[in-house]
Amino acid sequence: NAGVTQTPKFQVLKTGQSMTLQCAQDMNHNSMYWYRQDPGMGLRLIYYSASEGTTDKGEVPNGYNVSRLNKREFSLRLESAAPSQTSVYFCASLRDRNSYEQYFGPGTRLTVT
Amino acid sequence: GQQVMQIPQYQHVQEGEDFTTYCNSSTTLSNIQWYKQRPGGHPVFLIQLVKSGEVKKQKRLTFQFGEAKKNSSLHITATQTTDVGTYFCVHDGSQGNLIFGKGTKLSVKP
Repeated sequence: NAGVTQTPKFQVLKTGQSMTLQCAQDMNHNSMYWYRQDPGMGLRLIYYSASEGTTDKGEVPNGYNVSRLNKREFSLRLESAAPSQTSVYFCASLRDRNSYEQYFGPGTRLTVT
Repeated sequence: GQQVMQIPQYQHVQEGEDFTTYCNSSTTLSNIQWYKQRPGGHPVFLIQLVKSGEVKKQKRLTFQFGEAKKNSSLHITATQTTDVGTYFCVHDGSQGNLIFGKGTKLSVKP
């Protein structure tokens, strides 16, 4: 099993450009999450999907949209990138709400100039 | 959201010394989890504590949950260079997400 995979690993954008971060998991998990991590900070939740077909806002959703394409895939879109979105983005999955161990992908390092 | 405070923010130790990081909450927690993130890596689950006063051990790591379920600690005995990384205490948010503390960054000098 690959676990949680993310693409791309690195990306540089100019202000105003758009892009989609891809995440997939092969563990048949129901819930998926997008976090961002800024220097010296813990991780903050952007959006999550408790199950296929549902998405909800987390702590810092502004400037982002998500799509739960199917049970495996959960994408994060930046419509008009801003320098404040420079961060490391992690996708995570959880088997179900009764579980507690989240599995994280390797992250996408995004720089917006 | 409900925050947990972690101290210290940074800790530098000589290899072989012990290390402890503390996590404090102003409210009672249903559980606490600990994650480790190696430099350049992603968070990896270490353990979950649920019961008041619970103590769990993983080799040189000892995890403790306070009696009032408002604090927790992670103690590493005789640190090794492989222990380098940031240790986060984490608890469940209301959205099924995890709420991370800001972490304690451990560096180990050989």
